[in-house]
Amino acid sequence: GAVVSQHPSWVICKSGTSVKIECRSLDFQATTMFWYRQFPKQSLMLMATSNEGSKATYEQGVEKDKFLINHASLTLSTLTVTSAHPEDSSFYICSVLRTAYEQYFGPGTRLTVT
Amino acid sequence: DAKTTQPTSMDCAEGRAANLPCNHSTISGNEYVYWYRQIHSQGPQYIIHGLKNNETNEMASLIITEDRKSSTLILPHATLRDTAVYYCIVRDSGGGADGLTFGKGTHLIIQP
Repeated sequence: GAVVSQHPSWVICKSGTSVKIECRSLDFQATTMFWYRQFPKQSLMLMATSNEGSKATYEQGVEKDKFLINHASLTLSTLTVTSAHPEDSSFYICSVLRTAYEQYFGPGTRLTVT
Repeated sequence: DAKTTQPTSMDCAEGRAANLPCNHSTISGNEYVYWYRQIHSQGPQYIIHGLKNNETNEMASLIITEDRKSSTLILPHATLRDTAVYYCIVRDSGGGADGLTFGKGTHLIIQP
């Protein structure tokens, strides 16, 4: 398998502020990481693909200027939610691609915007 | 990626085998069947995957029909900790660098 951590596990922020979420691959170097979002009682939805050293690829409907992704090293990708609003409150989950057949997920970060 | 159909929910008694079905009638020849599960408020966990042969690992067995239009995930001795949403995902082997498309999954409830 693979060990993936996220920090923080939960965060509460005020509307209009920015929040950074970290995703770390602890036991191997991950060229590709993914970011997902999950609203209550819904399934996970892919937001973007993060490749080390290059710009992230965003899914249709995801605002790249609002959800900033940085994958500066092979073990760390960050997602920054800029100017957060209550509708951005969600469960954010990252995953790392170990092989073409294996994706391993982090424990998730619950964001609440008040 | 081919679409999958799963029952919304299932119950299973603790200690019994849990059999979770998945229909993927439009699957193509180079598409694999993957199973993940998500325990409440956690990230998904990889379970198993296969192409056409039956597969078994320490967590589960995957039975794929000969025509590959459906599959069954088997948890041989279900425990309360197996209560989760189970996702069946079909994807192209060449799509390994793509993110996963999750459907609604099956909410499996293990009863004591």
